[in-house]
Amino acid sequence: DGGITQSPKYLFRKEGQNVTLSCEQNLNHDAMYWYRQDPGQGLRLIYYSQIVNDFQKGDIAEGYSVSREKKESFPLTVTSAQKNPTAFYLCASSDSWETQYFGPGTRLLVL
Amino acid sequence: AQRVTQPEKLLSVFKGAPVELKCNYSYSGSPELFWYVQYSRQRLQLLLRHISRESIKGFTADLNKGETSFHLKKPFAQEEDSAMYYCALSDWRNDYKLSFGAGTTVTVRA
Repeated sequence: DGGITQSPKYLFRKEGQNVTLSCEQNLNHDAMYWYRQDPGQGLRLIYYSQIVNDFQKGDIAEGYSVSREKKESFPLTVTSAQKNPTAFYLCASSDSWETQYFGPGTRLLVL
Repeated sequence: AQRVTQPEKLLSVFKGAPVELKCNYSYSGSPELFWYVQYSRQRLQLLLRHISRESIKGFTADLNKGETSFHLKKPFAQEEDSAMYYCALSDWRNDYKLSFGAGTTVTVRA
């Protein structure tokens, strides 16, 4: 699998710590997305970006921040303000409204 | 706001039996609907989209605007169909953002 990569696979966060999840794509897609996946709740949109240097909040942006300085990169920072960060985080990219391509995910755990 | 409902969290069927995953939506307008699938240890990926009217891996889904449904069906389930399935709706009036249902875990038993 190439195309869209996420790292690390597992990430541990201590109380009060900010952590950053990496998402990179080589598909030349303009749009990128971050989702949070929790059991029984499906995928919920955190942030999305349709073009470099621009991004918008999704449905659950509180406690998260992003940047889009390069087309291929869309890192997500989980800040200490996010009180329930334990989840599986999925990054996706797309070049049209029809299909989103997903990364393998990062599982964030709180120590 | 749009909403996607998948009423079944778990669905268990025998190999060779028909399988139907329910998806209902609420949306004021003409929706664009999708089914995504996540097999064990694999990435979430697009299975099919209603606009294409295609059959993928034996699955079909028909948009019923009257019942606001987009159920996924397969006449003869196979063990490799065991996976998590998500129904999703694209909102063209809101940057084409996808709204996902809660997902249905399908187990096909031999």
